[in-house]
Amino acid sequence: DAGVIQSPRHEVTEMGQEVTLRCKPISGHNSLFWYRQTMMRGLELLIYFNNNVPIDDSGMPEDRFSAKMPNASFSTLKIQPSEPRDSAVYFCASSSQRTDTQYFGPGTRLTVL
Amino acid sequence: DAKTTQPNSMESNEEEPVHLPCNHSTISGTDYIHWYRQLPSQGPEYVIHGLTSNVNNRMASLAIAEDRKSSTLILHRATLRDAAVYYCILRDNTDKLIFGTGTRLQVFP
Repeated sequence: DAGVIQSPRHEVTEMGQEVTLRCKPISGHNSLFWYRQTMMRGLELLIYFNNNVPIDDSGMPEDRFSAKMPNASFSTLKIQPSEPRDSAVYFCASSSQRTDTQYFGPGTRLTVL
Repeated sequence: DAKTTQPNSMESNEEEPVHLPCNHSTISGTDYIHWYRQLPSQGPEYVIHGLTSNVNNRMASLAIAEDRKSSTLILHRATLRDAAVYYCILRDNTDKLIFGTGTRLQVFP
């Protein structure tokens, strides 16, 4: 099993640009989670999906952030426009059911200049 | 969400047992105790979880106090690859994992 796949692994962009992070969950998993990790705030849950439907987006910081899951094998997290304070490592995780063990991807390190 | 308290850091020598404590005095009856760890430059990974009884798996053991207000993750023989941040998380029958600051474990050869 390839595990959770995230791309890109590193992204450097300039303030104001649009950033799209991608995630492929483990095949057969029904739940997908997006997290953000910073030194100041630690690991925070941004949003999660169950059966491709967003269940809880209360962790999304503001309207500049949006997430989609068009099908069971793909999700995106978009930031538009990006700001330096969005610099962080973004993790995607999936689980077979909502309350099961979560399997994390390797993360995308985003730097906004 | 019920809160957990862990030491910021701990140290161990290679091949020695490590006991990582976690206090959760406000735990509710339906909260499971989960442990995840995060190796350097990687995403978190599941270690073990339990409700009331002690649990063992290939990675570690989980000892849960009788009153469930504390628990201990036990690594029986630490290796250099066990150096990581270990998170103790209380989780009821919901979707969310709420990560705290965890314990940074250093393992010395």
